[in-house]
Amino acid sequence: GAGVSQSPSNKVTEKGKDVELRCDPISGHTALYWYRQRLGQGLEFLIYFQGNSAPDKSGLPSDRFSAERTGESVSTLTIQRTQQEDSAVYLCASSLSLPPQYFGPGTRLTVL
Amino acid sequence: GENVEQHPSTLSVQEGDSAVIKCTYSDSASNYFPWYKQELGKRPQLIIDIRSNVGEKKDQRIAVTLNKTAKHFSLHITETQPEDSAVYFCAASLLGSSNTGKLIFGQGTTLQVKP
Repeated sequence: GAGVSQSPSNKVTEKGKDVELRCDPISGHTALYWYRQRLGQGLEFLIYFQGNSAPDKSGLPSDRFSAERTGESVSTLTIQRTQQEDSAVYLCASSLSLPPQYFGPGTRLTVL
Repeated sequence: GENVEQHPSTLSVQEGDSAVIKCTYSDSASNYFPWYKQELGKRPQLIIDIRSNVGEKKDQRIAVTLNKTAKHFSLHITETQPEDSAVYFCAASLLGSSNTGKLIFGQGTTLQVKP
């Protein structure tokens, strides 16, 4: 079946602009995660959604970052007033209620 | 919170040799430890995982060992091949009904297998 998909694959924006990243999880996967991967670094947890439960936002680095998910479908990660340090690959992963997590291809964000 | 340290950061081996990557974690409650392989420009892909009730797991040329007392786990790749060249990430997680299962990753190991 189809894997996790993300769009856009690449996004170049100017400092101060808002960006919206999209994630389509594997059908039937109730859990959805967002991670950030800076160049040459490991992945950092950002936010977690599980069904209709309250999301775990403990990894969001600042109030400029927010995410939404409707039910068990698409999720969007929004970064407001982007800064150069936001440049990274943003990865989405989904899973059933138990692991493993399956990753999407990521969105490479470049803030000029 | 959980912290995962991974060593070495780079590893170069000759084709056919073995490669070992080591990780330590800080939270003794962590109970799930996956390993991901990431080729350049590609998504991370799970290669093997282990839960805390198991000390070792093998899948063909790949094995993972876990020492809960030392809070240490390792990836072993035998008979390495050029296509094993990639960045490998370890991670730790706490699974359970009231936990998110979020993964805390190590910094990655770049493995180069020389033909």
